[in-house]
Amino acid sequence: KAGVTQTPRYLIKTRGQQVTLSCSPISGHRSVSWYQQTPGQGLQFLFEYFSETQRNKGNFPGRFSGRQFSNSRSEMNVSTLELGDSALYLCASSSGQVQETQYFGPGTRLLVL
Amino acid sequence: AQTVTQSQPEMSVQEAETVTLSCTYDTSESDYYLFWYKQPPSRQMILVIRQEAYKQQNATENRFSVNFQKAAKSFSLKISDSQLGDAAMYFCAYRSALSGSRLTFGEGTQLTVNP
Repeated sequence: KAGVTQTPRYLIKTRGQQVTLSCSPISGHRSVSWYQQTPGQGLQFLFEYFSETQRNKGNFPGRFSGRQFSNSRSEMNVSTLELGDSALYLCASSSGQVQETQYFGPGTRLLVL
Repeated sequence: AQTVTQSQPEMSVQEAETVTLSCTYDTSESDYYLFWYKQPPSRQMILVIRQEAYKQQNATENRFSVNFQKAAKSFSLKISDSQLGDAAMYFCAYRSALSGSRLTFGEGTQLTVNP
């Protein structure tokens, strides 16, 4: 099976712009979770989507949003970018059942100038 | 809220030797899962090993094993016969049985393997 894919892999934006990141889960997986990784804050959970519904949400401002499509692909959007949004954004997929393991994609590295 | 603590920011080991990475967590729940993930310089997070809290037996995957002490809320990772390819950042992670797929991560331990 193909692994989790994320596009784009690298992105440079300027403050105030918006950005959309994409994540395609492993075939058959219905849950997609997003994480932000920064040197200062470490790995932080953003949100989880399961069967097109947000099932869980972390402690991030409303500028961070997401959605999931019927084919389980997920997008994450950040509006009005700030310098502090520069990070590695990781997505992970699983079947969605509580006992199942999550598998991570390679990440999207976002740089905000 | 659950927290995960890794008190060793950096560790080093000689090739072929054994190293243990520490992890403690705080939770009031009884049903949960614990994981060790590895993140090499490529930044790809790779699952190393997982442990179900309801299982008393410690998980083992080839050279990797855990020491799970539920009462002490401790979950250490032992790497035997260390290899150069084991060099990476290691993250301990917690997942509640009640919160879907949400993982709470520790700060990470950077492991260096010396030839």
